[in-house]
Amino acid sequence: DQQVKQNSPSLSVQEGRISILNCDYTNSMFDYFLWYKKYPAEGPTFLISISSIKDKNEDGRFTVFLNKSAKHLSLHIVPSQPGDSAVYFCAASGRYGGSQGNLIFGKGTKLSVKP
Amino acid sequence: KAGVTQTPRYLIKTRGQQVTLSCSPISGHRSVSWYQQTPGQGLQFLFEYFSETQRNKGNFPGRFSGRQFSNSRSEMNVSTLELGDSALYLCASSLVAGGVLETQYFGPGTRLLVL
Repeated sequence: DQQVKQNSPSLSVQEGRISILNCDYTNSMFDYFLWYKKYPAEGPTFLISISSIKDKNEDGRFTVFLNKSAKHLSLHIVPSQPGDSAVYFCAASGRYGGSQGNLIFGKGTKLSVKP
Repeated sequence: KAGVTQTPRYLIKTRGQQVTLSCSPISGHRSVSWYQQTPGQGLQFLFEYFSETQRNKGNFPGRFSGRQFSNSRSEMNVSTLELGDSALYLCASSLVAGGVLETQYFGPGTRLLVL
C-alpha cells in the first residue's frame, strides 16, 4: 500500500510557464515533506521541504504548498526552464514521530520543459 | 563542503556472491540512511544509522546489513546476491539537531548489476 502517491508519471510544460507537481499521502503521522529532483544515474538532489506546521514554503522559483486536511502537497516551479527537466520525487517522514531516517518516497513525476 | 560520496560507483557481481558498498557522509553529519532504487519499486528505505547504531530498518531480508564507524562512514553489505538485487543503492546523510533528523542529502549512488 503506497503511503505517498504521485499520480502523474509525467508532465510536459512550455518554457516560462508554471509547472505544478502533485503528491498525496495517506499517513496522518507524516509531519515533514520534501521534494527532490533526480537525473538518471545520479542521486536525488534536495529542492525544498515543508513541515506540517506550515502551509507554504518558498525558495526562489520553487514553492511547496501543503494542505493537511486533504493530505496533499504540490510543488510549483515558476518560471519553468529546460534545465528543470528531470524526475521529481515527493518524500515524507514522521520526523517527530519516531520514524527517523526513513523517508517514504512517491514513484516520481517526470517533468519535461520544452523550449 | 564536500557532498556525500559513495564507492564504488558501478559494480558487477554474479548470483551467490556478496558485495560491500561504502558511503562517506557530509562532514558533521552523523546520520546515514541507505535506500534501494529499482524501476518497479522506486526508492525504498533499507536502514538508518546514527552514532554507530542502527535506529531504523526497512522491510528487506536479513541478507542486507550495514554498519557505521566512529567517523560516521557507513558500509552496507548484501550477501548471497540475487538477480533482483540489481539496483541503484543510494546513501543519504543528515544532521541530527535536538534529536530531530534534518534534511537528507544523497550521494550519487552505486549501480549494482547482478548477473
